[in-house]
Amino acid sequence: SQQGEEDPQALSIQEGENATMNCSYKTSINNLQWYRQNSGRGLVHLILIRSNEREKHSGRLRVTLDTSKKSSSLLITASRAADTASYFCATVNTGNQFYFGTGTSLTVIP
Amino acid sequence: GAGVSQTPSNKVTEKGKYVELRCDPISGHTALYWYRQSLGQGPEFLIYFQGTGAADDSGLPNDRFFAVRPEGSVSTLKIQRTERGDSAVYLCASSLGLGLFDEQFFGPGTRLTVL
Repeated sequence: SQQGEEDPQALSIQEGENATMNCSYKTSINNLQWYRQNSGRGLVHLILIRSNEREKHSGRLRVTLDTSKKSSSLLITASRAADTASYFCATVNTGNQFYFGTGTSLTVIP
Repeated sequence: GAGVSQTPSNKVTEKGKYVELRCDPISGHTALYWYRQSLGQGPEFLIYFQGTGAADDSGLPNDRFFAVRPEGSVSTLKIQRTERGDSAVYLCASSLGLGLFDEQFFGPGTRLTVL
């Protein structure tokens, strides 16, 4: 079973707009990670946020974590056509189990 | 080659056959992971190696699945008596192994089709 669920399942935006994806999970975690997967390719690690952190930035990416709500969000600012991909959250729970979520498919229209 | 490589990229086999999928991790990465991804789903953890030993094989679905990493580098995922339900993309990843499931670098995957 998969611990995380992303919302929305699919998102379509215009280039230059911001994209926000949410991830909810079920059990206590040690850290949460976001990955990107382009069609037919392997996953690329984007960012890792630990359970004692609330926000992290990397370039145009901003990740927040709310452990009380068991949720995280990924914000991509000033989106580009090249950001078109599926985005997955993944959690390492306190039992050292690793689960990917179901993914959000993002389409950025040039 | 700086990245994780997997061979073959595609494998078509018949039900009941035996298959081997190979993963070459990034040089120096002590941790190696195998995942399975079905269409429209996130990857599902299968097994994790730290060095030569399987540190966690709790994700292997049944005893038809087995993986080895004899010299702590290349790994082979072996599936016996394949079933149509085994069809998926099998992903391999490696990491420095400094922390459990730390930043993982993924290969392009092997697409397995069982007819």
